[in-house]
Amino acid sequence: GAVVSQHPSRVICKSGTSVKIECRSLDFQATTMFWYRQFPKQSLMLMATSNEGSKATYEQGVEKDKFLINHASLTLSTLTVTSAHPEDSSFYICSASGESGRSSYEQYFGPGTRLTVT
Amino acid sequence: GQNIDQPTEMTATEGAIVQINCTYQTSGFNGLFWYQQHAGEAPTFLSYNVLDGLEEKGRFSSFLSRSKGYSYLLLKELQMKDSASYLCAPLDSNYQLIWGAGTKLIIKP
Repeated sequence: GAVVSQHPSRVICKSGTSVKIECRSLDFQATTMFWYRQFPKQSLMLMATSNEGSKATYEQGVEKDKFLINHASLTLSTLTVTSAHPEDSSFYICSASGESGRSSYEQYFGPGTRLTVT
Repeated sequence: GQNIDQPTEMTATEGAIVQINCTYQTSGFNGLFWYQQHAGEAPTFLSYNVLDGLEEKGRFSSFLSRSKGYSYLLLKELQMKDSASYLCAPLDSNYQLIWGAGTKLIIKP
C-alpha cells in the first residue's frame, strides 16, 4: 500500500513554456503533499507543502507565481512550472502523507519527474 | 537553527557491515526517518524510530538516542545494490521532515 504516482516521468520543454506535473496517491488519502526539487548531487530541497483544499505554503526563496501548486483533492496535487527557463531544469519529486503506514507523518514519494528546459 | 550532520561519502566492501551515523539538531523532535535514494530515483523508506533503541529489520537496523541527538543506520551483508545515498531525516516540532545532504555509500566487490 501507500503508492504515489507522478506524471510525466520525463519532460523536455522549450524556454518560456509552462509544464504541469501531476502527483497522485493511489491507495490512500493524502492530507498533505510535498513538492521537492533536487539538483544533481545535492540534497532534496522542499519547495512547498500543500494541504487539501487550502493554499500551499512555500519555502523561502521559492516563487509562488512561478511554481503554481494545486491540491484540489485528497489524491491529487499538481505543480505547474510557468514560463520555464533552463535554470528550472531539475528533478522534481512529490511526496504524500496521510493516515497510512507506520506514521501519519511518513512521506511516500513519487518516482520523480525529470524536467529539461531547452 | 536546524542541522543534520552525516558523512558525505563512505566506502565499504561487498559482504561487510557499515554504520552510517547521523547527528541532528532540530526545533522539537517527533521521530526520525531513514530513506534510501538511488541515483536518479526518488527516496524510499527504510526505517522510522521514535523511541530510543535499536530497530532491526532484516539486513538493516536503525538506532536512536534522543538525548544525544544521534542516530545510525547499520547495513549488514552488504550487496552491490546497496550502493546509494542514505538520508537521515528527523521530524521537527511542526512534524516537518528536515533533510540533510545524505551519505553516499559506495560498495566495492
